Amino acid sequence: KAGVTQTPRYLIKTRGQQVTLSCSPISGHRSVSWYQQTPGQGLQFLFEYFSETQRNKGNFPGRFSGRQFSNSRSEMNVSTLELGDSALYLCASSWRDFNTGELFFGEGSRLTVL
Amino acid sequence: ILNVEQSPQSLHVQEGDSTNFTCSFPSSNFYALHWYRWETAKSPEALFVMTLNGDEKKKGRISATLNTKEGYSYLYIKGSQPEDSATYLCAFWNAGNMLTFGGGTRLMVKP
Repeated sequence: KAGVTQTPRYLIKTRGQQVTLSCSPISGHRSVSWYQQTPGQGLQFLFEYFSETQRNKGNFPGRFSGRQFSNSRSEMNVSTLELGDSALYLCASSWRDFNTGELFFGEGSRLTVL
Repeated sequence: ILNVEQSPQSLHVQEGDSTNFTCSFPSSNFYALHWYRWETAKSPEALFVMTLNGDEKKKGRISATLNTKEGYSYLYIKGSQPEDSATYLCAFWNAGNMLTFGGGTRLMVKP
C-alpha cells in the first residue's frame, strides 16, 4: 500500500512569490491535514479537509489556503511568501476523522524563502 | 492557543534503561490525544490514539496512559534500544477540534 506522497520535496522561492504544494493520501483515506514545522514554533496545524470540504483550520493568516479534490488529493498554497514561511510542510491522511484516527504523514516539502 | 507541554525536552539514556515522558494539556474540553514518534529524516509515525480517561495502551516495549481529569499522559519505554532514539510528540485535540502539538521530547539512547 503506497504511503502519503508529497511533492515537491524541496523548493526555493523568493519573497513575494507564491507556492503550491501537493499531497496524495493513502488510497481510501478521505481526511487530509496540513502542518508547518519550524525550529521556533514546532509543529503547527494549518487545516484539515474531508471530502473536499475544509472542516478545521488552525491559526494562520489568509495567505495560507488549501483545497481537496474529488480523488482526495490535496494542495496547499501560500501567497506573497515571507521569510518566516521557510519551513517543512507536512501533510497527513487518515481513513476516519483526523482526531480519532491515526495520522499517516508524508515526508514533507521543505520550503526555503530567500 | 492551548498550552500543551512535554517534559523533559530531551533525554539521554543508556541502552537497557527504562524511561518515561510527560505530555500535559488543558483538562477541560478534552477530546483526543495522540502520540507520535519522529525519527530524523523520516515522517512522524503514530504510536497511540487515546480518547478515554484511564486509557492504557501498549505496543511492544512502549506503553502510554491517559488522565484527562488532571490533564496529562505518560509515555513509557521499557528497556530502551538505540533504535528508540527519536523525538516523541503528543498531539492534543479539544472538543472544539482545535489541535495543538507539544514541543516534543528528544530521546537519545546510547549503546
